[in-house]
Amino acid sequence: DAGITQSPRHKVTETGTPVTLRCHQTENHRYMYWYRQDPGHGLRLIHYSYGVKDTDKGEVSDGYSVSRSKTEDFLLTLESATSSQTSVYFCAISESGRAGGEAFFGQGTRLTVV
Amino acid sequence: KNEVEQSPQNLTAQEGEFITINCSYSVGISALHWLQQHPGGGIVSLFMLSSGKKKHGRLIATINIQEKHSSLHITASHPRDSAVYICAAPYSGGGADGLTFGKGTHLIIQP
Repeated sequence: DAGITQSPRHKVTETGTPVTLRCHQTENHRYMYWYRQDPGHGLRLIHYSYGVKDTDKGEVSDGYSVSRSKTEDFLLTLESATSSQTSVYFCAISESGRAGGEAFFGQGTRLTVV
Repeated sequence: KNEVEQSPQNLTAQEGEFITINCSYSVGISALHWLQQHPGGGIVSLFMLSSGKKKHGRLIATINIQEKHSSLHITASHPRDSAVYICAAPYSGGGADGLTFGKGTHLIIQP
């Protein structure tokens, strides 16, 4: 199994509070991604990174920010959580961009905003 | 954005049956991904293919680049194959990287 760890695995938070989710990899892959999974929508891209300090927006980036200060860590921050951000969040890594490399996924973080 | 459509959305079959899940996409791609998600969450990559056919155990994936269509087949299905199967294609939207996903096929194999 690819070495990819998400933390926390579960979190309940209140509306308006900041939340940070962490993705840690031991594979030294260049590309890292954050997706959210919702019923009826499937998985959707939030943000991605193509190297240290290199990040870009995905399809559903509003309300989220990311940072990547080290190759192994990719952080997703909800600056002020809203109930619409209740979701399951998945981190993924890949050696190649443009979906040209196999994608490895973390176990997911279930976030509930109350 | 690449639009990815899967069918069927739900499929219930008896153990031993041959299973086919279909995926079509709207924009030409370099590779298509098939993923498996079991209840409780984790997502596992099954195949990444850019042409022809790949086989892994009882799973077979095929792709027709010209028709923008891929299929996932399961031979001699077993209850442990029960899962959600998801196809994914390159995002292809405004230069963004990453994958865009079908909504998944929820497969139940009954003993």
